[in-house]
Amino acid sequence: NAGVTQTPKFRVLKTGQSMTLLCAQDMNHEYMYWYRQDPGMGLRLIHYSVGEGTTAKGEVPDGYNVSRLKKQNFLLGLESAAPSQTSVYFCASSYPLEFVSSYEQYFGPGTRLTVT
Amino acid sequence: AQSVTQLDSQVPVFEEAPVELRCNYSSSVSVYLFWYVQYPNQGLQLLLKYLSGSTLVKGINGFEAEFNKSQTSFHLRKPSVHISDTAEYFCAVSEAGTASKLTFGTGTRLQVTL
Repeated sequence: NAGVTQTPKFRVLKTGQSMTLLCAQDMNHEYMYWYRQDPGMGLRLIHYSVGEGTTAKGEVPDGYNVSRLKKQNFLLGLESAAPSQTSVYFCASSYPLEFVSSYEQYFGPGTRLTVT
Repeated sequence: AQSVTQLDSQVPVFEEAPVELRCNYSSSVSVYLFWYVQYPNQGLQLLLKYLSGSTLVKGINGFEAEFNKSQTSFHLRKPSVHISDTAEYFCAVSEAGTASKLTFGTGTRLQVTL
């Protein structure tokens, strides 16, 4: 049981390049989330998904796209990277809060992205 | 929309001393409250949560927190800290019916020294 895994762990991009971050979970969770973490700002929600084939915008969605083709995977894409997207990206997954008495979002180890 | 305020960006404390990390939230509806801990270069781990019931909740590693609805607070406490508690602590809130989305505070860095 690996929990939530993220690929890659580190990446350096040049401005304008594109890339995809992969998040995978093996806990059969319905909900998945992408956050970014910046110094002094905590974690901010980029996009989330409440099930296979669904996605929705979070607090800071601009410049990112996502896809949830399989229940266990949630992909985050940057079509044209900008220096403002330099950050640490975290994926998380959970069961719906309303359906379980013990609720928790499980986080991956993070991807450190630098855009030069 | 909900928001979370962690007024203390850093809290220095000596080992074996008590500590309180403050968290205040704003919301117009029922909320669920969480504290997460992040050790250096790692992801976040749930410390404790308040969903309903008793307002005093106990978590892992000897931490506890008290939900105070009238003061819209959810402060985290530990009676005696250890060096290993040095980490970043995040308070988070989720509103009922919002797909379990979390809104995080900006974090408090707890630095425990000898």
